[in-house]
Amino acid sequence: EIVLTQSPGTLSLSPGERATLSCRASQSINNNYLAWYQQKPGQAPRVLIYGASSRATGIPARFSGSGSGTDFTLTISRLEPEDFAVYYCQQYGNSPRTFGLGTNLEIK
Amino acid sequence: EVQLVQSGAEVKKPGESLKISCKGSGYSFTDFWIDWMRHLPGKGLEYMGVIYPGDSDTRYNPSFQGQVTISADKSITTAYLQWSSLKASDTAMYYCARRSRTGNLDFWGQGTLVTVSS
Repeated sequence: EIVLTQSPGTLSLSPGERATLSCRASQSINNNYLAWYQQKPGQAPRVLIYGASSRATGIPARFSGSGSGTDFTLTISRLEPEDFAVYYCQQYGNSPRTFGLGTNLEIK
Repeated sequence: EVQLVQSGAEVKKPGESLKISCKGSGYSFTDFWIDWMRHLPGKGLEYMGVIYPGDSDTRYNPSFQGQVTISADKSITTAYLQWSSLKASDTAMYYCARRSRTGNLDFWGQGTLVTVSS
């Protein structure tokens, strides 16, 4: 199965700063079927990005996804207070689907 | 409004059986796959398997094959995840989610916390 390695494990930033989160796959992901999810404490995850770079419905433009093959990035251009959460990547191009262990984005 | 509502938290003893549910509403339940995920304390999410309620086509992650059973009753728009004999290591939060037409998970249930302890 494909192993997704997310880095860093924890990212400490201040509101207004730019966040760059990485997700690296152990092998190429078919069709770049890579999604990013945000999870806040006590809540279920919600999808931000799918297909590596398409924003899900209702997701602000400050969230963007890029990458292909084995290297993918989630960028939050200017952090808002509500963006501090855990972010997971998931690949759904190869069976079985797998998730990364997450990046905890915390307030500095 | 699309909603997935999961059954409440459970506390069970090792060896007991359990069936948790995920009720869909606000969309055509039979037309979308439902995924199940496990979220272990302090760990990442794990994909367990998926069911297509329209015909009950079910696929499992090999890591969970034989450990759980996924089913659905389309007459009441509900999917299920069940165990015949729980272990302490099954203690986790379990989520169901709808698989969108593009393959990602676009709507999630609120999660069901399962605690297995003697």
